[in-house]
Amino acid sequence: QSVLTQPPSASGTPGQRVTISCSGSSSTFGPNYVYWYQHLPGTAPKLLIYRNNQRPSGVPDRFSGSKSGTSASLAISGLRSEDEADYYCAIWDDSLSGRVFGGGTKLTVL
Amino acid sequence: EVQLVESGGGLVKPGGSLRLSCAASGFTFSSYSMNWVRQAPGKGLEWVSYISSGSSFIYYGDSVKGRFTISRDNAKNSLYLQMNSLRAEDTAVYYCASDIYDTNGMDVWGQGTTVTVSS
Repeated sequence: QSVLTQPPSASGTPGQRVTISCSGSSSTFGPNYVYWYQHLPGTAPKLLIYRNNQRPSGVPDRFSGSKSGTSASLAISGLRSEDEADYYCAIWDDSLSGRVFGGGTKLTVL
Repeated sequence: EVQLVESGGGLVKPGGSLRLSCAASGFTFSSYSMNWVRQAPGKGLEWVSYISSGSSFIYYGDSVKGRFTISRDNAKNSLYLQMNSLRAEDTAVYYCASDIYDTNGMDVWGQGTTVTVSS
């Protein structure tokens, strides 16, 4: 059981906006930055969002991240079929001296 | 081109050992921290270990602490993971990943190597 909680699944139709949540304790989230990764089975995971709301070069602005208190969200607007993947939030937990991933959310594009 | 290529995976019996390697190219390997991350069949991503650029700081996930050892050879642009006392639950695809674009995240990943622990 991860210290970061994500819904196991989410879905949306093409063009729709979907959000994926990630929650934890105040000691876990605290001042720690949240990161989001996209993972398609059989491929290398991809960093989507870093430091709560920053996008690496090459990541479309359809992807956005936010953090407030003890939760964070990944929003995907203009949903596309190629967005169907597993999405993970992650932090660096100082108390554990390590990175922690959420359990992952499987996004289905209907 | 920035690239990470893992190797060394395979089938090993419970209690056995295996050494994974990750060859880096296209960037100054010695300047960046590295990580190992794994995904067991049907499970999510799990961070395994971290090593700083100069090997001064090393951290492990609780599930591998005392059994796995991360190391690097900056002269060979290579990262390693020595895995001992392997268990069935260590069966997974193992990825190496680095933070080279100043994100403090893992922004470059290899394609992974598969480790199967089974008798």
